[in-house]
Amino acid sequence: GAGVSQTPSNKVTEKGKYVELRCDPISGHTALYWYRQSLGQGPEFLIYFQGTGAADDSGLPNDRFFAVRPEGSVSTLKIQRTERGDSAVYLCASSLTGLAGIEDTQYFGPGTRLTVL
Amino acid sequence: GESVGLHLPTLSVQEGDNSIINCAYSNSASDYFIWYKQESGKGPQFIIDIRSNMDKRQGQRVTVLLNKTVKHLSLQIAATQPGDSAVYFCAENGSSASKIIFGSGTRLSIRP
Repeated sequence: GAGVSQTPSNKVTEKGKYVELRCDPISGHTALYWYRQSLGQGPEFLIYFQGTGAADDSGLPNDRFFAVRPEGSVSTLKIQRTERGDSAVYLCASSLTGLAGIEDTQYFGPGTRLTVL
Repeated sequence: GESVGLHLPTLSVQEGDNSIINCAYSNSASDYFIWYKQESGKGPQFIIDIRSNMDKRQGQRVTVLLNKTVKHLSLQIAATQPGDSAVYFCAENGSSASKIIFGSGTRLSIRP
């Protein structure tokens, strides 16, 4: 099945390093979302793309976090100068149109577990 | 601020019984609500959704009820099975057309 895929599934890095997390959305989905999930918590919104453009980046915690979607399909979440507090599961989701509603379910990938030592 | 909360963090149910998971939301502007199921090591899986112009929606073995007067959402699972064991999240769209806000989740465990 062609669901949302994310790579890598696990990433261990050292404090201060740079990391990139990749998301492949469902083919044909216009909207793509990044969320972050800490242990025992629900996912927290980070950024939303409509096509190639970031339509809402209000959830990015600071300027160390950046995301791109240059061709309107695959997206990369980039984290500079990682800190221990960045450790979490980073989830990607995609939806057909990007407008919340009965016909526009957000489908999630399995996530990337990031551990910053 | 916007928030979605849950009445109970854990719920234990006898296999075969019905499960009811409750959720309170605070944003009156929310007009779209979703229930997700998350198994260990996996991403959230869509279960069912409902718009604010409805008070009930049914799926396969699941029913979502929405009470806008008291800002309350519930998920009913009929004839609970071992495969229903997971964390269940309610979510709302808040004041955004696209961003959804998740609650902290309820863990459902099934007793044999």
